[in-house]
Amino acid sequence: GQQVMQIPQYQHVQEGEDFTTYCNSSTTLSNIQWYKQRPGGHPVFLIQLVKSGEVKKQKRLTFQFGEAKKNSSLHITATQTTDVGTYFCAGDTGRRALTFGSGTRLQVQP
Amino acid sequence: NAGVTQTPKFRILKIGQSMTLQCTQDMNHNYMYWYRQDPGMGLKLIYYSVGAGITDKGEVPNGYNVSRSTTEDFPLRLELAAPSQTSVYFCASSSGWFGRAAAKGQPQHFGDGTRLSIL
Repeated sequence: GQQVMQIPQYQHVQEGEDFTTYCNSSTTLSNIQWYKQRPGGHPVFLIQLVKSGEVKKQKRLTFQFGEAKKNSSLHITATQTTDVGTYFCAGDTGRRALTFGSGTRLQVQP
Repeated sequence: NAGVTQTPKFRILKIGQSMTLQCTQDMNHNYMYWYRQDPGMGLKLIYYSVGAGITDKGEVPNGYNVSRSTTEDFPLRLELAAPSQTSVYFCASSSGWFGRAAAKGQPQHFGDGTRLSIL
């Protein structure tokens, strides 16, 4: 079936190191969204990408949408302890609702 | 503006019991969703609704039922609770009109979740 895969499942970094999570789809996505969920919290919308090759930045976060619109990435520069949480992508695979990836859990050691 | 409100926040059920998880939103959103999140895992869509009176199954609908009689409310019913239904349940809503291309692109607003244990 149509799936949205995310890698890695988990990453542990030292504070100040960079972090990247990747989202891959078996089908072309109309758009992709990224969410962050703090430990014990609920997912919070970060951003949406729509155009092929689109790049958007939010302070230390850089979001990219692949040229073929089948993959996306979230890169965090110089991680901070406030970046701890699970990052989810959610793609429009043509179904009536978005398909969420399995998430990447980020742990940042001070 | 409360956003998406879920009740209860915590609940323990015995096997075979039934209960309704409540979800209400005050943003006049047409789209509403129910997800479950097992420990350390991602979100799985249970049911969703694109407007009052319209509901549809997601990935994991078995053992659950929903109704959408008003725009604001989207309750999730568990019948005959089983240990496999132990999870955190999130309700979410988003704006947009079903059928319009941009509808699925609207951000989803999540409630705080209901932590459900079935023993």
